[in-house]
Amino acid sequence: DAGVIQSPRHEVTEMGQEVTLRCKPISGHDYLFWYRQTMMRGLELLIYFNNNVPIDDSGMPEDRFSAKMPNASFSTLKIQPSEPRDSAVYFCASSFLYYGYTFGSGTRLTVV
Amino acid sequence: TQLLEQSPQFLSIQEGENLTVYCNSSSVFSSLQWYRQEPGEGPVLLVTVVTGGEVKKLKRLTFQFGDARKDSSLHITAAQPGDTGLYLCAGGDGGSQGNLIFGKGTKLSVKP
Repeated sequence: DAGVIQSPRHEVTEMGQEVTLRCKPISGHDYLFWYRQTMMRGLELLIYFNNNVPIDDSGMPEDRFSAKMPNASFSTLKIQPSEPRDSAVYFCASSFLYYGYTFGSGTRLTVV
Repeated sequence: TQLLEQSPQFLSIQEGENLTVYCNSSSVFSSLQWYRQEPGEGPVLLVTVVTGGEVKKLKRLTFQFGDARKDSSLHITAAQPGDTGLYLCAGGDGGSQGNLIFGKGTKLSVKP
């Protein structure tokens, strides 16, 4: 298995633009997580899905953030409009039940 | 709110030295996981401990879960430059997958 695949690896965008981050989880995993990592706050859980259904989105900072999982092999995290304070590394992770998370390599987002 | 405190935040040692990093909380966790993250990559799961007092060994790494399941430690014997990275602990409450709480990590640098 190729692992959790995220795209793009790097994204530089201007404030106010829409940003879409993509994730392909490991086949057979039933949980998918979106995290954000910064030096100040560490890893923060934004939202997670179980069997494609959003379970907890209480970590989503505000209405500018949205996430979807239309099928078991694809998820997106969208920020519209983006702001400089959204600059961070965004990770997608997947797992089967409670057997540990497999993380993707992340998307480094810079909003200027 | 459950919190995991990791110490030290930064550790720089010479190759061949031993070290211990700690993960502490005032809350009880049903399990605890340790991850290592290298620059530019996502965290990689090293081990999961689930029983109070449990000790697990992974080559030169020894992981211990406290008797009260509120704390954990990671001991590395004869550290090597390849051990360099950010070590993260994450606690689960046994409930939904989304309740995996991450500490901010210990950044380890092993110099040759």
